[in-house]
Amino acid sequence: GAVVSQHPSRVICKSGTSVKIECRSLDFQATTMFWYRQFPKQSLMLMATSNEGSKATYEQGVEKDKFLINHASLTLSTLTVTSAHPEDSSFYICSAGDRGPYGYTFGSGTRLTVV
Amino acid sequence: TQLLEQSPQFLSIQEGENLTVYCNSSSVFSSLQWYRQEPGEGPVLLVTVVTGGEVKKLKRLTFQFGDARKDSSLHITAAQTGDTGLYLCAGSPHRNKLVFGAGTILRVKS
Repeated sequence: GAVVSQHPSRVICKSGTSVKIECRSLDFQATTMFWYRQFPKQSLMLMATSNEGSKATYEQGVEKDKFLINHASLTLSTLTVTSAHPEDSSFYICSAGDRGPYGYTFGSGTRLTVV
Repeated sequence: TQLLEQSPQFLSIQEGENLTVYCNSSSVFSSLQWYRQEPGEGPVLLVTVVTGGEVKKLKRLTFQFGDARKDSSLHITAAQTGDTGLYLCAGSPHRNKLVFGAGTILRVKS
């Protein structure tokens, strides 16, 4: 089945620094990947849709300059949290799918802690 | 307001009991999916329902898709402690865009 690898699984960074999170589809090509944010005991909130070779589509309220998304190849999308602040601390999850709207595979998530 | 209303938000039951989680919307979906998520991990797809009125079974889990394709339910029979987790319904209101319900935290006590 489809496998999505997300790295790193955990990262701690200082306020003001930037953090890059990678999402790779290991055994299929993904023209579209999705980035979600999840707070403890809450559901996933879609942040943006990452499109290979073009600009990402951001959801309302998500700062484009804060959360930079790059989808340079059919197997890799990256999310960079720029000038991180403690309120950016969260669980970030990516997903991709080779079955369109019939099922997506999720990465294992990245726990970001900004101190 | 959320596109997918999921209930209950929290559920704590004893091992062996049955439970049902609901996912409702005012919108029609071409398909709905159910995921299960454990702490610190990404969601794992349990099932996709596509046809109105469809019923799918996965061992002790039964999934239904409403006739009008606006709602779905997840029923667990004889819950086990291993069923503990966050259950999420999800659907695509627009092509290639997946949104989630608020989730149901299930705790099964031994």
